[in-house]
Amino acid sequence: EPEVTQTPSHQVTQMGQEVILRCVPISNHLYFYWYRQILGQKVEFLVSFYNNEISEKSEIFDDQFSVERPDGSNFTLKIRSTKLEDSAMYFCASVHVRTGVPGELFFGEGSRLTVL
Amino acid sequence: ILNVEQSPQSLHVQEGDSTNFTCSFPSSNFYALHWYRWETAKSPEALFVMTLNGDEKKKGRISATLNTKEGYSYLYIKGSQPEDSATYLCAKERGSQGNLIFGKGTKLSVKP
Repeated sequence: EPEVTQTPSHQVTQMGQEVILRCVPISNHLYFYWYRQILGQKVEFLVSFYNNEISEKSEIFDDQFSVERPDGSNFTLKIRSTKLEDSAMYFCASVHVRTGVPGELFFGEGSRLTVL
Repeated sequence: ILNVEQSPQSLHVQEGDSTNFTCSFPSSNFYALHWYRWETAKSPEALFVMTLNGDEKKKGRISATLNTKEGYSYLYIKGSQPEDSATYLCAKERGSQGNLIFGKGTKLSVKP
């Protein structure tokens, strides 16, 4: 069964360093998302991406964050200068088509980011 | 209700027990209500996506209902099994962009 894959599964970095989290969405999916969960808190929406551009972003997704789909298969989340509070589990998700009927999101297993 | 809230926070039941959880959400700007099942170290897996007031959906022993006017959804598990042990997340979708607002989840443990 097709699945969303994420790498790395765990990354430890120093505060101020750049981090890139990678995702390979399901191949025929067109909408892509990043969510995150800080330990003990709710899963939070970061950004949605369609047709090679951001379609919606949350207040969390500030100038330190960026997303890219560089080659038609990978979908990346970059954090330019990590802060301690960026430590979280980051989930990539994708959905086939948004035709006005809501569809289920397919999530990856997550990338745990630890900022020291 | 300002946020998506789930209760109880955790639940311990015996194998064979039936159980149910509640998800409450703001009824304004409603597009859809999602339920996900999330096992430790795995990816959240969609159970149901519901849109209409009065919707009822079923998948095996698991079913869900939706009341969009009063802003709540119930998830029922009939005859719980140890493999049902997981965190059950509900999420309100506000628009058509897949922006989900999650509750904190209900962690279910089923003892054999």
